[in-house]
Amino acid sequence: DTGVSQDPRHKITKRGQNVTFRCDPISEHNRLYWYRQTLGQGPEFLTYFQNEAQLEKSRLLSDRFSAERPKGSFSTLEIQRTEQGDSAMYLCASSPVRGGERVLSYEQYFGPGTRLTVT
Amino acid sequence: AQTVTQSQPEMSVQEAETVTLSCTYDTSESDYYLFWYKQPPSRQMILVIRQEAYKQQNATENRFSVNFQKAAKSFSLKISDSQLGDAAMYFCGAGSYQLTFGKGTKLSVIP
Repeated sequence: DTGVSQDPRHKITKRGQNVTFRCDPISEHNRLYWYRQTLGQGPEFLTYFQNEAQLEKSRLLSDRFSAERPKGSFSTLEIQRTEQGDSAMYLCASSPVRGGERVLSYEQYFGPGTRLTVT
Repeated sequence: AQTVTQSQPEMSVQEAETVTLSCTYDTSESDYYLFWYKQPPSRQMILVIRQEAYKQQNATENRFSVNFQKAAKSFSLKISDSQLGDAAMYFCGAGSYQLTFGKGTKLSVIP
C-alpha cells in the first residue's frame, strides 16, 4: 500500500501526558498537512510543510503543539500536557506540488488518522 | 479567511436514484480549488472530485459531477445511479494551500 500512513491508529492517554503521532506521506508528495477532526465536524487545518519547511500554522495550534518534518519525509505531531479538549481524530494528508512554493496544492490524500482520547 | 457551509446535515436517496448535495463557500483567494471528499464510517477521507476555480467547465468523475457556480460561490455534488457503497459523510472543501471544510452531509442510501 503506497498511501498515507499514520501511527498509532488509536491513543488513550491521561490528562497532562505528552503524546507523539507519526505520519508517512506518499513518497513523491512534498507537501504534508495536519488536520484535527472532532465529532460531527469537518477536518480543521492545523499546519503544513513543504519539504522540511513548516510554512503555515493555524491559530488552533497552541504552544503545546509542535510539528516537525525532518529531512522532508515523515512528520511528527507532538502534544504536550494533553487536555481533555485535545481528544479528536488527528488526520495527516499529503499532496504533490509542481513548481515553486507559490504553486497551489493539488488534491490532498488523507491517511486513516490517529484517534486520541484524553482521560 | 475561508468559510464553507453545507446546509444539509443529512440526506437520503433510494438506490439507483440521483441525489444532490449542496455546498457554498466564501474565500478571499483569487486562485483556489474545490473538493468533495467522502468519509465512510470509521474509514479515511477519500477524494471524490476536484474543481479548479479558474475552469468554467464542471468536473465529472463517472457517476459524480459538480455544478460550480463561481459568482454564487456554490459547489454542489450530484451522485447519479446511487449505490449502497455511496453511503458516507461527504465533506466539501475549499482552499489554495490548506483546505477549509464544511461540517459534512451524512448520506444514507435506501435499498
